[in-house]
Amino acid sequence: GESVGLHLPTLSVQEGDNSIINCAYSNSASDYFIWYKQESGKGPQFIIDIRSNMDKRQGQRVTVLLNKTVKHLSLQIAATQPGDSAVYFCAEYNTDKLIFGTGTRLQVFP
Amino acid sequence: DTAVSQTPKYLVTQMGNDKSIKCEQNLGHDTMYWYKQDSKKFLKIMFSYNNKELIINETVPNRFSPKSPDKAHLNLHINSLELGDSAVYFCASSQGTGNTGELFFGEGSRLTVL
Repeated sequence: GESVGLHLPTLSVQEGDNSIINCAYSNSASDYFIWYKQESGKGPQFIIDIRSNMDKRQGQRVTVLLNKTVKHLSLQIAATQPGDSAVYFCAEYNTDKLIFGTGTRLQVFP
Repeated sequence: DTAVSQTPKYLVTQMGNDKSIKCEQNLGHDTMYWYKQDSKKFLKIMFSYNNKELIINETVPNRFSPKSPDKAHLNLHINSLELGDSAVYFCASSQGTGNTGELFFGEGSRLTVL
């Protein structure tokens, strides 16, 4: 069935450390994945995307890894900053619909 | 310039009332969406329009009626509001349909039904 799930509902990291947010998806036919960041009181904001013909993509301080064998996606944030505190969602395109996972709250403490 | 703008940002109303949320995008996109986010932050797609035509209609009560007067606008009208309709409603837009690219979201409209 359609489901995109996250392993950890809340992740607490110290400022300056690297963060890793994980996501499992169920539809092996999904070929496009997006990570979104949602700050309190705001709409989801695009971070980075990856298509299924790739297994890694890098942005500014962020890296997305895709493992199609185990249907797993991860978002790595380098040198986590207080401004990174938010809820992070992975999303997959499934039959023309963008399906969101349940979200992980990232808390950054000094 | 706000790319995707929704009004109102907050809406408090009584059960049984009818209310509307408006959305406009100035990105020149062809496709617009409504998503509902519940209290647990779960985001679920409700509707999608491409060039004013309905292309996605999820299992949503028919009390919810989207209307797209042109491709830059997608409004959501809700009849006979119920307590369970309380949520944050997000409008979004994208250049095409399907997996052609990211969705751009508005800031959300928080609906509280008393």
